[in-house]
Amino acid sequence: DAGVIQSPRHEVTEMGQEVTLRCKPISGHNSLFWYRQTMMRGLELLIYFNNNVPIDDSGMPEDRFSAKMPNASFSTLKIQPSEPRDSAVYFCASSLHRDAEAFFGQGTRLTVV
Amino acid sequence: KNEVEQSPQNLTAQEGEFITINCSYSVGISALHWLQQHPGGGIVSLFMLSSGKKKHGRLIATINIQEKHSSLHITASHPRDSAVYICAVRLPRGSNYKLTFGKGTLLTVNP
Repeated sequence: DAGVIQSPRHEVTEMGQEVTLRCKPISGHNSLFWYRQTMMRGLELLIYFNNNVPIDDSGMPEDRFSAKMPNASFSTLKIQPSEPRDSAVYFCASSLHRDAEAFFGQGTRLTVV
Repeated sequence: KNEVEQSPQNLTAQEGEFITINCSYSVGISALHWLQQHPGGGIVSLFMLSSGKKKHGRLIATINIQEKHSSLHITASHPRDSAVYICAVRLPRGSNYKLTFGKGTLLTVNP
């Protein structure tokens, strides 16, 4: 398996634009996580899906953020409208089940100018 | 106060040295993870442990549940070990999908 695949690797966008980050989890994994990493706050859980269903979205900063998982092999994280303070590295991770070892993607480095 | 504290924040070593990175936590956990992140790179899971000790190559991870403390050791360190090492704890029972992360330890190994 190729591991968790994220795209794009880098995204630079202007404030106010919509940004969509994509994730393909490892086949057979039923748990998917979106994390955000910043210098100030480190890694934080944004949302957790189990069997494509959002279980915990308490980490989503505000309504500008939304995430979907239409099927077991694809998830998106959308920011609309984007703001400079959203600049961070966003990681997607998947695991076989909710408390198993997590496998991380390479991350998407987002810069909002 | 962060629930997961790592020390040191930064560590510089010479190639070949034995390295120890520490992690202390203040909550009950079901497991502890050690992760590695190279500059500009992705995150790799090194260990997941809930008791005792695990070894993989030159890396050793230990945990003391009673003292709420874990250590990551690197023997015969090499410049390619230079990375950020992150400790993360997994909450128990109903929230066992949640990881709480430390701020990381930046390790630089000079040749």
